[in-house]
Amino acid sequence: NAGVTQTPKFQVLKTGQSMTLQCAQDMNHEYMSWYRQDPGMGLRLIHYSVGAGITDQGEVPNGYNVSRSTTEDFPLRLLSAAPSQTSVYFCASSRPRTGVGTEQFFGPGTRLTVL
Amino acid sequence: GDSVTQMEGPVTLSEEAFLTINCTYTATGYPSLFWYVQYPGEGLQLLLKATKADDKGSNKGFEATYRKETTSFHLEKGSVQVSDSAVYFCALFFGGGADGLTFGKGTHLIIQP
Repeated sequence: NAGVTQTPKFQVLKTGQSMTLQCAQDMNHEYMSWYRQDPGMGLRLIHYSVGAGITDQGEVPNGYNVSRSTTEDFPLRLLSAAPSQTSVYFCASSRPRTGVGTEQFFGPGTRLTVL
Repeated sequence: GDSVTQMEGPVTLSEEAFLTINCTYTATGYPSLFWYVQYPGEGLQLLLKATKADDKGSNKGFEATYRKETTSFHLEKGSVQVSDSAVYFCALFFGGGADGLTFGKGTHLIIQP
């Protein structure tokens, strides 16, 4: 199993550009989520999905869109990038979708810089 | 809302020293508690977890006990190694809901030989 994979590893954008961060998992996990990691802030939840066709907002959803058309994939879209979105982005997945003590598996991250 | 507070870093220790990283939480109810570790340039990995009061999680020589009375989940290791240098995150999770983990800000641990 590859686990949770993310592409690209690094990306530089100009303000106003759009892009999609890719996330895929091959563990048949129902639950997937996106976090951003900023210095001194820990990780904060952006969006999550409890299954194909179902998504919801986390703590910091503004400026980001998600969709979940398959169990495996959970892309994160930036429609108009802003410097405040400069961060490291992590995708995570787990199964079952909820459960006491459920371990979440994290991808290696995407480092995004918006100029 | 729910929150996790952990000691600020960086924490610098010599090899073979005793380690404690403090973690306390605020939550309505009884969450599961986790310690995740992030090595340089990598994603987060689960280090250990505890799902109810007085549970002790342990892994790779690290331990943490779920203390409901003090709402704490302090991470300890008796003898640290240079390879333990990493960022450590304390986190909580309510299994009955759909929201993700609530993380502390992370503690950067540096072990000197």
